[in-house]
Amino acid sequence: AQTVTQSQPEMSVQEAETVTLSCTYDTSESDYYLFWYKQPPSRQMILVIRQEAYKQQNATENRFSVNFQKAAKSFSLKISDSQLGDAAMYFCASGYTGTASKLTFGTGTRLQVTL
Amino acid sequence: DSGVTQTPKHLITATGQRVTLRCSPRSGDLSVYWYQQSLDQGLQFLIQYYNGEERAKGNILERFSAQQFPDLHSELNLSSLELGDSALYFCASSGTVTDTQYFGPGTRLTVL
Repeated sequence: AQTVTQSQPEMSVQEAETVTLSCTYDTSESDYYLFWYKQPPSRQMILVIRQEAYKQQNATENRFSVNFQKAAKSFSLKISDSQLGDAAMYFCASGYTGTASKLTFGTGTRLQVTL
Repeated sequence: DSGVTQTPKHLITATGQRVTLRCSPRSGDLSVYWYQQSLDQGLQFLIQYYNGEERAKGNILERFSAQQFPDLHSELNLSSLELGDSALYFCASSGTVTDTQYFGPGTRLTVL
């Protein structure tokens, strides 16, 4: 079984600043994936970034990057140069290979971006 | 736009009724997943289909059922609806069982 924990219900960041959202996970699987999804007020679930557990290099997507610490089972999301459009609910999720590749989600972190 | 479509966008119905939610995956994707997002339970996996066959079941109630058709679209059937079934229901699709899941816009179900 997998569990995902997001300990920050809410975060706030000023426009153009950097913010880091935390996520820890637990899994007995050796081959798994980690994701960050963004859910803006429209409620659409939008993929932000994906990390394969077997890769040591941290994933980056433009202003979004992760700090993947496999031994510590930590997967944080860093948003650089924050923009007003980044305001949303952010969900950390884990999934694994195999025939049942469901995603297990954390409870989410609501990010506010202020001027 | 993720390429995954869901209909209807909103659904309002009464307790005891039955509804069907429809999902069309991205072109070429064989896997379809259904998730429920409610205020008290968060995002929960319900069921997965791969190329027409059920692959995994999560916390799906017996009153709920799903299927994936030969054209790969999927339907989630919810029956004997209760107030607590009010939620946002997402469909997601992926190309293989290990690929990234892309989500549709969701169907908001309100049970009165």
